[in-house]
Amino acid sequence: NAGVTQTPKFQVLKTGQSMTLQCAQDMNHNSMYWYRQDPGMGLRLIYYSASEGTTDKGEVPNGYNVSRLNKREFSLRLESAAPSQTSVYFCASTLGVNEQFFGPGTRLTVL
Amino acid sequence: KQEVTQIPAALSVPEGENLVLNCSFTDSAIYNLQWFRQDPGKGLTSLLLIQSSQREQTSGRLNASLDKSSGRSTLYIAASQPGDSATYLCAVENSNYQLIWGAGTKLIIKP
Repeated sequence: NAGVTQTPKFQVLKTGQSMTLQCAQDMNHNSMYWYRQDPGMGLRLIYYSASEGTTDKGEVPNGYNVSRLNKREFSLRLESAAPSQTSVYFCASTLGVNEQFFGPGTRLTVL
Repeated sequence: KQEVTQIPAALSVPEGENLVLNCSFTDSAIYNLQWFRQDPGKGLTSLLLIQSSQREQTSGRLNASLDKSSGRSTLYIAASQPGDSATYLCAVENSNYQLIWGAGTKLIIKP
């Protein structure tokens, strides 16, 4: 039981490049989330998926797209990376109105 | 719009002391409040979840309280240890099942 896994752990991009962050959970959770964490700030929700086949925007969705590939996997795509997207990205999952379980994070730098 | 504030941003205390971390929120219409721990370079670990109908939750040396009417929660850590050093974040869950986060309190326990 690996919990929530994220790949890659680190990534450096040049402005304008694209990439996809991968997230998977093996806890049979319905809901999955993508957050970003910037220094001195709380986590901010980018997108979430309440169930397989549905996705909704969170607080800061601009510049991102997501795909809920199946119940296990929820990916986050940056189509044209910008320096403002330099951040640590966390994926999380939950069964319902219960505690969220987090992945180890992806540290992204955009030059 | 819900806002979550954690004061102080950083706290340093000698080992063995009891301490209290504070979290305040502006909108009392919450489903629950959660306290998380974050170690440097790692993901978040859920410590305690208090449902909106509850007043407190306990786990080992940790006790979290919730006062919805005043928009406050506290995390009490008894007999602090160096291993308790981490950043502690609180988050409230709103009616859309989204978490709104505080910026965290960085706790250092001095041996």
